[in-house]
Amino acid sequence: GAGVSQTPSNKVTEKGKYVELRCDPISGHTALYWYRQSLGQGPEFLIYFQGTGAADDSGLPNDRFFAVRPEGSVSTLKIQRTERGDSAVYLCASSLSGPGGGDTQYFGPGTRLTVL
Amino acid sequence: GDSVTQMEGPVTLSEEAFLTINCTYTATGYPSLFWYVQYPGEGLQLLLKATKADDKGSNKGFEATYRKETTSFHLEKGSVQVSDSAVYFCALRDSNYQLIWGAGTKLIIKP
Repeated sequence: GAGVSQTPSNKVTEKGKYVELRCDPISGHTALYWYRQSLGQGPEFLIYFQGTGAADDSGLPNDRFFAVRPEGSVSTLKIQRTERGDSAVYLCASSLSGPGGGDTQYFGPGTRLTVL
Repeated sequence: GDSVTQMEGPVTLSEEAFLTINCTYTATGYPSLFWYVQYPGEGLQLLLKATKADDKGSNKGFEATYRKETTSFHLEKGSVQVSDSAVYFCALRDSNYQLIWGAGTKLIIKP
């Protein structure tokens, strides 16, 4: 079946603008994760959803970042008042039931965000 | 806090050479350990994992053994191919079930 998909693949915006990044997980996966990956570094955890609720949002860097998953499937990561330091690849992953069960996380190709 | 350190790249080898990519970790508990691979233009894929000490994960000719005494999870392959060129990430899953990642090691295999 289809893997995790993310749109757009690339997003260029100006400092101060608002952006939305979309993640479509594997069908039937209840857990969804957002990560941020800066150049030359490993992914950095942002937030984890179990169903519709954010089970752990401890990785969100500040209140400009927000994510939703209203129907327990597609998720949107929202960034307000973007800053140049937000430029990174934003990765989404999903797993069948969640990290506590030892599930494998399947990653999407990422959205490359560039803030000018 | 928990952390993962892996050798810096790029690592450049000739085809059929032996590969080792070092990975060491610090953790307060007993984490699960992972190697992920990112091929050019593709998303991260789980390569192998080990959930307890002395476990060996293996896949596609790659192996890594969970060494608690040396807090290491080095990735090895006996004979690399050009198609193995990618970025390899070592990661651990901590007591909060989050994945903690190394910085990645770029592997370049020359024919």
